[in-house]
Amino acid sequence: DAGITQSPRHKVTETGTPVTLRCHQTENHRYMYWYRQDPGHGLRLIHYSYGVKDTDKGEVSDGYSVSRSKTEDFLLTLESATSSQTSVYFCAISSRPSNSGNTIYFGEGSWLTVV
Amino acid sequence: QQQVKQSPQSLIVQKGGISIINCAYENTAFDYFPWYQQFPGKGPALLIAIRPDVSEKKEGRFTISFNKSAKQFSLHIMDSQPGDSATYFCAASASGSGNTGKLIFGQGTTLQVKP
Repeated sequence: DAGITQSPRHKVTETGTPVTLRCHQTENHRYMYWYRQDPGHGLRLIHYSYGVKDTDKGEVSDGYSVSRSKTEDFLLTLESATSSQTSVYFCAISSRPSNSGNTIYFGEGSWLTVV
Repeated sequence: QQQVKQSPQSLIVQKGGISIINCAYENTAFDYFPWYQQFPGKGPALLIAIRPDVSEKKEGRFTISFNKSAKQFSLHIMDSQPGDSATYFCAASASGSGNTGKLIFGQGTTLQVKP
């Protein structure tokens, strides 16, 4: 398995509280991504990073922010959690843009429940 | 809007049968089409991928068929086995300026192969 560690793996939080999910990689890959997975929607890109301090929005970025201060860490923050953000969150990494033929590797997911 | 549409949502196949999952896309700039396989509780993993310069790619029992004019591609699993039971996602991405490897995923297909 690619060296990707997501934490926490499971979390229950209350509406309105901030939540931070962490993705840590040991592969020294340049590109990192946060996706959320919901039934009927597949995987949707929240934010991505193409280098330290270089990030951009994905399809469903509202209510989320990210930071990447080191190559190995990519943090996803829910500024004020809502029930619609109950989901499984996946971090992914790539050494090159995926469409250049290089594989995107996914972490094992973080299950977040907002009550 | 859903840029990649996947069908069916679920599929039940007998052992030894052929599983077929279809995807359609709108964005003609897409030039990389991977399929990912996901087992319960795990992150998605790359299964097979194709570029639009070929109409078919085969790896073992897995084949991608690609129809550029129809903007469709499909995954065929020959001699389906119970171990193939998983969720399958098609995806697409576009190269070009500002390329950051973002993958757009379909909604997913849950495959069950009955013994």
